[in-house]
Amino acid sequence: GENVEQHPSTLSVQEGDSAVIKCTYSDSASNYFPWYKQELGKGPQLIIDIRSNVGEKKDQRIAVTLNKTAKHFSLHITETQPEDSAVYFCAAPQGTGRRALTFGSGTRLQVQP
Amino acid sequence: GAGVSQSPSNKVTEKGKDVELRCDPISGHTALYWYRQSLGQGLEFLIYFQGNSAPDKSGLPSDRFSAERTGGSVSTLTIQRTQQEDSAVYLCASSGTGGVDTQYFGPGTRLTVL
Repeated sequence: GENVEQHPSTLSVQEGDSAVIKCTYSDSASNYFPWYKQELGKGPQLIIDIRSNVGEKKDQRIAVTLNKTAKHFSLHITETQPEDSAVYFCAAPQGTGRRALTFGSGTRLQVQP
Repeated sequence: GAGVSQSPSNKVTEKGKDVELRCDPISGHTALYWYRQSLGQGLEFLIYFQGNSAPDKSGLPSDRFSAERTGGSVSTLTIQRTQQEDSAVYLCASSGTGGVDTQYFGPGTRLTVL
């Protein structure tokens, strides 16, 4: 099955700076890579995803890049704001034909005002 | 529109008791997933329902855990003879087709086993 590793576990940045979170995966057949944001006491919320036929996707201040050769993908948040403070999870399908997701261990992002 | 809802939001029980957790998926979504999130940890897959197909139970940690999905909509996760290590947030998600499709999560049920 898929194995997803996520780094760093915690990240503290100043407001306005950029934040980058990286994940690696093990199954070269994986084709879908979502990122979720989880605020305290709430369920994870999808913020962006990328499929294996593209290398980069942007949505305002958020972008995700995918390197299929190296089997890693990254979340980039620019011009960070205090409301970006949360735990971020990357994920990938559990395996070929599997629909459930394997999640990374999470990154706690703290944006200092 | 309405998102995924779960009830109760919090459940405190004594060791050895049975508990039932409920999930109402987004209307029309054919796929439903249960995950477990232990304190400060990532999400662990438990079980997956897709339409009328047999569920994927490969993530259930023991035979004390079971789940049903009635009428292709509401799902109930049952934990029998609860143990302290069952304490966690139980999250439900649904998606449109069960294919490579966005999973939308509910707010979770926080289970505490004393």
